[in-house]
Amino acid sequence: ETGVTQTPRHLVMGMTNKKSLKCEQHLGHNAMYWYKQSAKKPLELMFVYSLEERVENNSVPSRFSPECPNSSHLFLHLHTLQPEDSALYLCASSPEATTGSSSYNEQFFGPGTRLTVL
Amino acid sequence: AQKITQTQPGMFVQEKEAVTLDCTYDTSDPSYGLFWYKQPSSGEMIFLIYQGSYDQQNATEGRYSLNFQKARKSANLVISASQLGDSAMYFCAMREGRNNAGKSTFGDGTTLTVKP
Repeated sequence: ETGVTQTPRHLVMGMTNKKSLKCEQHLGHNAMYWYKQSAKKPLELMFVYSLEERVENNSVPSRFSPECPNSSHLFLHLHTLQPEDSALYLCASSPEATTGSSSYNEQFFGPGTRLTVL
Repeated sequence: AQKITQTQPGMFVQEKEAVTLDCTYDTSDPSYGLFWYKQPSSGEMIFLIYQGSYDQQNATEGRYSLNFQKARKSANLVISASQLGDSAMYFCAMREGRNNAGKSTFGDGTTLTVKP
């Protein structure tokens, strides 16, 4: 069973709706990520949070707004989305260990939220 | 330039045979980690295997092994004794930096179909 959960698993929304995606990790990790996976495109990193601070924002439109209230939870708030935003949104976490040359910060992924924007 | 290149959009393999999925990478950082993930149709990304840039030996995890050729910057995934459940999308990824704490870069993926 994955240590990273995402809700909802499926979401259909209109362009004027406001919704939020939720990610929760039970692994004691310090870093969390949002990825977007569109059909026929490589996985795109959207946001990275390390110790609850945003450390990466890959030119993501402002209609996507992340929130990391604590190291276990990550949200992606959505508003006025476009049909081209329809995709699988994956959350991941990693230890971000700072000691030990053998550590490798494997990312654990959640099952994803399949978003359809009408 | 693309940092991770997977040149095989789709691969077919007969059940019980071995298959190699190609991955080449590009980085100037001496410290990096290479990862392979499996994504079945359900969407979840499942970690398979890791190779660190300083690791002397090729990584192995059960039926998965990584053919790491550092000079060629390649990190091919070998799946031995393929099973029907291996049919999925496979992604190669790289994380640069010490302890691999940097941003991950993913390849375009290879769709593997195992035929009975």
